Amino acid sequence: DTAVSQTPKYLVTQMGNDKSIKCEQNLGHDTMYWYKQDSKKFLKIMFSYNNKELIINETVPNRFSPKSPDKAHLNLHINSLELGDSAVYFCASSLPGTSSEQFFGPGTRLTVL
Amino acid sequence: RKEVEQDPGPFNVPEGATVAFNCTYSNSASQSFFWYRQDCRKEPKLLMSVYSSGNEDGRFTAQLNRASQYISLLIRDSKLSDSATYLCVVILNDYKLSFGAGTTVTVRA
Repeated sequence: DTAVSQTPKYLVTQMGNDKSIKCEQNLGHDTMYWYKQDSKKFLKIMFSYNNKELIINETVPNRFSPKSPDKAHLNLHINSLELGDSAVYFCASSLPGTSSEQFFGPGTRLTVL
Repeated sequence: RKEVEQDPGPFNVPEGATVAFNCTYSNSASQSFFWYRQDCRKEPKLLMSVYSSGNEDGRFTAQLNRASQYISLLIRDSKLSDSATYLCVVILNDYKLSFGAGTTVTVRA
């Protein structure tokens, strides 16, 4: 039973394209997150949603748009991809509040050429 | 100054050795602290929370020093399977958390 799943696992695309990454959790958590981990391994929070509502939106270009159709899903859509968007994107979920243990998905490795 | 800073290592130690490393944080109002473990090309997983009085989980001991604003992780009797990157996480409030860039530990036979 996969707790937090992401698709695709790998994504290779050209600059300027638009792509989406999907995330689903079956833990019954109310809170979901998107993180970006760059080549220096620095893991940075991008967005957090609680019960389908945005609660954290760090300084992220507005080319990135999260969408939460229900509390078990948090998808990430990226417009006009740039070279600097190449990274591993992790989805995570937790009980309410950032102090709760976060359960991460396996990551999506995005490469922009 | 970064919100959370860690010595990147790598700490290269023989099996059975003890290894310890710190993580410093900049905001004195930080409330909660955790250590996560990340294996190569895998997702981070919670290793342990860090409590004010210090806490132990098997071979792992975590300490918090609020006066000097750092947390530490000590691994006793290192196993090959302890080789990983250890991420420090500092929570300021329900809307603000920061990960360190990680400390890499390699345990050799």
